[in-house]
Amino acid sequence: GQNIDQPTEMTATEGAIVQINCTYQTSGFNGLFWYQQHAGEAPTFLSYNVLDGLEEKGRFSSFLSRSKGYSYLLLKELQMKDSASYLCAVRATNSGGYQKVTFGTGTKLQVIP
Amino acid sequence: DGGITQSPKYLFRKEGQNVTLSCEQNLNHDAMYWYRQDPGQGLRLIYYSQIVNDFQKGDIAEGYSVSREKKESFPLTVTSAQKNPTAFYLCASTPRGVRTGNTIYFGEGSWLTVV
Repeated sequence: GQNIDQPTEMTATEGAIVQINCTYQTSGFNGLFWYQQHAGEAPTFLSYNVLDGLEEKGRFSSFLSRSKGYSYLLLKELQMKDSASYLCAVRATNSGGYQKVTFGTGTKLQVIP
Repeated sequence: DGGITQSPKYLFRKEGQNVTLSCEQNLNHDAMYWYRQDPGQGLRLIYYSQIVNDFQKGDIAEGYSVSREKKESFPLTVTSAQKNPTAFYLCASTPRGVRTGNTIYFGEGSWLTVV
């Protein structure tokens, strides 16, 4: 099976930088997603990492280390609208050849003035 | 426009009743998924399918059933065996390739409440 861990909650100040970590244990790893979700809404795509390293996209960056089973999402210049849950998800191929996408429990980020 | 359509948005179920949530996609995606989300929690995988007429149990399949008779459609039935079905249900799809499947597309979700 897959085990994905994220902190439950984080608080950060408007204008600051915050890093949300995600660790995972899985076999047949294909890639790792980060999604943002506001309460009561469907998640929205932020990033997808397949290879090791940092990928930057505007104020958001995502890092992956496959050997360590570790990823982080970096949010810069925080805005109040960034208050949301951030979901880490792992895509993996199981022994039967099926690709499965499993989500962590999510990190609820609160941005304060 | 291409996307995923879930219906109904809100559904009420009586005790002992089966209900079916619809999920249709016109993205030509092979893989489709159903997730359940409880308040303040993450997404838990119920069932997933990679091709027509084939599907696999996820982590919390008990009390649920699915079918994949067409590539575009992946309906979820919440049976009376599911004792605590009140939750937010999300349908998703993605292309099958590791690199091309770099985005999971979600429907808008369905809220199911037991009355």
